[in-house]
Amino acid sequence: AQSVTQLGSHVSVSEGALVLLRCNYSSSVPPYLFWYVQYPNQGLQLLLKYTTGATLVKGINGFEAEFKKSETSFHLTKPSAHMSDAAEYFCAVSDLGNEKLTFGTGTRLTIIP
Amino acid sequence: DVKVTQSSRYLVKRTGEKVFLECVQDMDHENMFWYRQDPGLGLRLIYFSYDVKMKEKGDIPEGYSVSREKKERFSLILESASTNQTSMYLCASTPLDRNNSPLHFGNGTRLTVT
Repeated sequence: AQSVTQLGSHVSVSEGALVLLRCNYSSSVPPYLFWYVQYPNQGLQLLLKYTTGATLVKGINGFEAEFKKSETSFHLTKPSAHMSDAAEYFCAVSDLGNEKLTFGTGTRLTIIP
Repeated sequence: DVKVTQSSRYLVKRTGEKVFLECVQDMDHENMFWYRQDPGLGLRLIYFSYDVKMKEKGDIPEGYSVSREKKERFSLILESASTNQTSMYLCASTPLDRNNSPLHFGNGTRLTVT
């Protein structure tokens, strides 16, 4: 069975500082990995995904994530936080494409002016 | 752009009522999903459907059923609502080529059962 662990339910960073949101997964087969973002009162939208190929994945709004098989991690980073990045972020894993995506518990990101 | 529309943004129902949550997508997607979102628990899959009249249980199907009579519409049914079903419900869809297509989510229905 696949699972996702997001370390830190709340993360606060100053505007302009590095954003690092942690995600570790378990999967019995090579995983597909995703990061989704949820802004207030909205559904989730895809930030980026890893399926195969290059392990450093770039997404929208300046975010990127690196798949590290040896560490079973897929941490999300952004070099410089912006106020508009305040949202909840979900890491997700699937071993069959998008079917039965398993989500983490989410990390709420707060940006300090 | 894909649009996934959930018919109600907020719903308040009484314990024991039969509740229908409706979801419509406009991009001819084969796959549709219902999740519930709770603080500290993330999103959990209730049911999904690969095609009209087909359904599969997700991780937490107890107390729920679904209906997919038309390709664009996927309904979640609470046969007898209970207070522990108070939650945010999210519908999502994706085309058959799911390996290369993300889930497209609606904006959610916040259900309160009193």
